[in-house]
Amino acid sequence: DIQLTQSPSFLSASVGDRVTITCRASQGISTYLAWYQQKPGKAPKLLIFAASTLQSGVPSRFSGSGSGTEFTLTISSLQPEDFATYSCLQLNSYPLTFGGGTKVEIK
Amino acid sequence: QVQLQESGPGLVKPSGTLSLTCVVSGDSVNNNYWWNWIRQPPGQGLEWIGEISQTTVYTPSLNSRVAISLDKSKNQFSLNLTSVTAADTAIYYCARKTKGDSRSVDSWGQGALVTVSS
Repeated sequence: DIQLTQSPSFLSASVGDRVTITCRASQGISTYLAWYQQKPGKAPKLLIFAASTLQSGVPSRFSGSGSGTEFTLTISSLQPEDFATYSCLQLNSYPLTFGGGTKVEIK
Repeated sequence: QVQLQESGPGLVKPSGTLSLTCVVSGDSVNNNYWWNWIRQPPGQGLEWIGEISQTTVYTPSLNSRVAISLDKSKNQFSLNLTSVTAADTAIYYCARKTKGDSRSVDSWGQGALVTVSS
């Protein structure tokens, strides 16, 4: 199975901060990576697919980059509604696997 | 816009079978997608269970206990998980996965909490 390691697992930030979350794959997955935002009691919401493509309707302050084994999700200016947990998902090979999640909290 | 809605018992006894159904509206399960089940134990991360399209694929750790089926006449798909234990307590999500080089799990149901307890 491909392991996805997210870092950090927790971060505390302020509104307006630039935030970067990393997802590292245990083997190369090309650009078959997606990023999700999840708020308490809600289903995950797709933000980014194919490593860097913004899902329709997602604010442009979210961006993704990377290929192979290292990927990043960046929020250029954190907004109050962005405090949530972010997870990556690899779709390169079976079984699909998720990263452990990064919880973004208000400083 | 596609909508997915899970339904099924919220409480299952140990050693019993967990059965959930996902009704799809706004799209057809005949279309060129994979239909997925994903779960999340309380306070933990997401775990992919398996998917169905023309065939089925399951995660190896559950392969001996899981079955996903498709009912095209009712536009729904289902999950059966046998011999459940407390470790199977989780929120179960049904979801749609697109195909191709830009594939993603792009639409999710709201989730159904299933507790395994006597």
